[in-house]
Parts: sequence; structure tokens; C-alpha cells
Amino acid sequence: ETGVTQTPRHLVMGMTNKKSLKCEQHLGHNAMYWYKQSAKKPLELMFVYNFKEQTENNSVPSRFSPECPNSSHLFLHLHTLQPEDSALYLCASSQDVGARSPLHFGNGTRLTVT
Amino acid sequence: GIQVEQSPPDLILQEGANSTLRCNFSDSVNNLQWFHQNPWGQLINLFYIPSGTKQNGRLSATTVATERYSLLYISSSQTTDSGVYFCAVERSGFGNEKLTFGTGTRLTIIP
Repeated sequence: ETGVTQTPRHLVMGMTNKKSLKCEQHLGHNAMYWYKQSAKKPLELMFVYNFKEQTENNSVPSRFSPECPNSSHLFLHLHTLQPEDSALYLCASSQDVGARSPLHFGNGTRLTVT
Repeated sequence: GIQVEQSPPDLILQEGANSTLRCNFSDSVNNLQWFHQNPWGQLINLFYIPSGTKQNGRLSATTVATERYSLLYISSSQTTDSGVYFCAVERSGFGNEKLTFGTGTRLTIIP
């Protein structure tokens, strides 16, 4: 049990599908993050939410749409994705976005776009 | 942005051996974290260590901020230590929104 739970663990979707990734944290943290991990590339920060408010959008295409209804839940809505979007999507949380708040990651969702 | 380089990129060791992983960065930092990603993709936070030395069991880490590097030591390696080790840094004056990850060191421990 990591304190950060992601579902589903694996997802295969076609380019015309709409799906959502879910993340829930049980650590009482106020900040939540979406990261993308592609083969042979460093982790890329996609979105940051602090106290439910989006504070960072790292030039992510609009086919990725985040939603943060409260400090414990984070969603990533997916639609009309491309094969190059296949990757491991990781959710993380921290006490806040400050420099002294270690990140805690979920297990990730491995996404394959066909 | 800040540059993060990790070395070596790959390391294969016999069980019981010791190892040292290095993280170099290009600017002053006030946030440095080490992570272990196991073969199933789970990222575990090992240390928050912007400066100084910390130890946790067989693992220890040292960051020399003035010289812009950090070292992760693993002693008496076990097969469960296999995986990829990442360091992530953020420049002074910024928060986790600007955390930059290195490309990692892939460690394989052979029984």
C-alpha cells in the first residue's frame, strides 16, 4: 500500500475512444501531479494541482484533460489519443508544492493506444 | 532549465556487492530527491536530500550542493534492489512544479 492508488493498472484504447485515469491519495496531501514516462525519456511533468487548483500545465495537448474535484482525487480524461501517447502515466502527491515536500507516487497506469 | 545527469546509465552487480550512483546537476538546488522504480513501475521515494548526508538501512545518500552533485550508496546489494534509480532536482526559489528528473541508472543485481 503506497498511499497513492491508481486505476486501472493497464489500459488499451483506440484512437477514437474516450477513457479516464483515476488517482486517489490517502496521505492527507494538498498537491497532486500527473507525470508521463515514455521509454528512454525522463519523467515529464504534465499537470500540477495545489488545493484543487491547477498551478501548472506543461504545454500538454488538449486531448489530455485533468480534473481535480478535491485534494484527494485526480483524474486524467483521455480522448482522440495518438499512438505516441502510449506510456506509463504516474500520479503523485505531496504535502504541498513547496521544495520541502517529498513526492509519493502511485503504481501507474500503462496506456497503450492502438 | 536545469540539467540533470546520472551515471552510470547501467550497472550490473553480483548480490552482496556495494554500489555508488551519481547525480550531477547544473544549477543551485534546494530540492533533491532520490527514487527507486522497481520492475513493476512503482516509484518509491528514497531520500529528500538537498544537502548533507542521510542513511536508511543499507542505503545512504550524500549531496554536496556547492559542488552540484549527489551520491546514492547501496551496500550489500540484494536482488530486490534491482530497478531504475532516479534523482530529481529543482532550482532554488522554485517548488515541486519545477522538479526535473534525470534519465536514471538501471541497476541489475544478479543472484
